[in-house]
Amino acid sequence: QKEVEQDPGPLSVPEGAIVSLNCTYSNSAFQYFMWYRQYSRKGPELLMYTYSSGNKEDGRFTAQVDKSSKYISLFIRDSQPSDSATYLCAMSSTSGTYKYIFGTGTRLKVLA
Amino acid sequence: EPEVTQTPSHQVTQMGQEVILRCVPISNHLYFYWYRQILGQKVEFLVSFYNNEISEKSEIFDDQFSVERPDGSNFTLKIRSTKLEDSAMYFCASSPRLAGKETQYFGPGTRLLVL
Repeated sequence: QKEVEQDPGPLSVPEGAIVSLNCTYSNSAFQYFMWYRQYSRKGPELLMYTYSSGNKEDGRFTAQVDKSSKYISLFIRDSQPSDSATYLCAMSSTSGTYKYIFGTGTRLKVLA
Repeated sequence: EPEVTQTPSHQVTQMGQEVILRCVPISNHLYFYWYRQILGQKVEFLVSFYNNEISEKSEIFDDQFSVERPDGSNFTLKIRSTKLEDSAMYFCASSPRLAGKETQYFGPGTRLLVL
């Protein structure tokens, strides 16, 4: 079983739709959960950072973490064509490791 | 807004040649990282660096790789003898505190092509 799994998509939605992006993971030591947005041939750009379980909202973005199910989500409300990108989930543990473990990324296309 | 910068943006080299990828982390950050992303694959951790020494490295980071902070601002990744499979996007990242307790900020990447 992969440590972090993410549906690669592509996911196409109409402008204004609510988008749901998800990752599952197998390592119960993960405590920190991040969502990054990556435009083609660019570096990952931090969108959301969450510690442990719960919800976090920032503008049109909401991140949810369900540690009991080992499942995290990113919701994008009122999606825009400029949201078209690859969305990466990343995770790390509290065991003193310094590394992020990334999912493969979900490619999102928002159609005007 | 402060950001991580990387040079060059693109590098083409011949197999067996040495390359040095350069990064300028965000100025008050203390932890530095290199990741790579082979085309179409996920971002993979290579190495982390703190207090002038390697904190952690992955299996990918073998003896052909080295990192250095030669001065107060630059952070470099050296590949001593490049192989075809080293072709990838290399990202530098930095964080003010230990990753996990504080997020990592990524640079725009250097695209390395080994011929």
